[in-house]
Amino acid sequence: AQSVSQHNHHVILSEAASLELGCNYSYGGTVNLFWYVQYPGQHLQLLLKYFSGDPLVKGIKGFEAEFIKSKFSFNLRKPSVQWSDTAEYFCAVRNQAGTALIFGKGTTLSVSS
Amino acid sequence: DTGVSQDPRHKITKRGQNVTFRCDPISEHNRLYWYRQTLGQGPEFLTYFQNEAQLEKSRLLSDRFSAERPKGSFSTLEIQRTEQGDSAMYLCASSLVVGSEYPTDTQYFGPGTRLTVL
Repeated sequence: AQSVSQHNHHVILSEAASLELGCNYSYGGTVNLFWYVQYPGQHLQLLLKYFSGDPLVKGIKGFEAEFIKSKFSFNLRKPSVQWSDTAEYFCAVRNQAGTALIFGKGTTLSVSS
Repeated sequence: DTGVSQDPRHKITKRGQNVTFRCDPISEHNRLYWYRQTLGQGPEFLTYFQNEAQLEKSRLLSDRFSAERPKGSFSTLEIQRTEQGDSAMYLCASSLVVGSEYPTDTQYFGPGTRLTVL
């Protein structure tokens, strides 16, 4: 069965620090990959997505992610985090049937000012 | 606001009662999905509709769970004879799928309905 692994459960950073959140998926065929963010008290919002083409994708709020097919990875990065980036981050892959999203367990990011 | 809306936002019920949640998708979206999220986990897929047709329901957690989308617009998720283990956040998402090949739609999520079963 397809699965998504997020390696970091809770990450604590100071403002201006660089961020990298790991995500690995299990399926080796055509992949659609997503990062969603959930700010405190808000609903899931799309940060960025990869369907095909350039493996380095840029999203909102200065986030980017790199798709590395050989490593089955789609890590999320931001060069300098802000206090407002405090949130829970979810990596997801579309299932083989092309319907549902399979989510990782999420990573809680806490940024101190 | 033209995003996905869900009602109610919170529901507290006693074990054994039936509950129904509503989801209103983004108006032009033809796909509607239901997910469940428990504490410390990512959303877990339950079922989805393309227009009014329910195309996948094998992931519904038990026969106590059912969903409808009668006119291809809003959808309802019903849980009969609720159990304490049903306590969770129930999320709805919608998307627009064009064509029949492997889809490249983006799912947009609503705020969820938090269910507490006492």
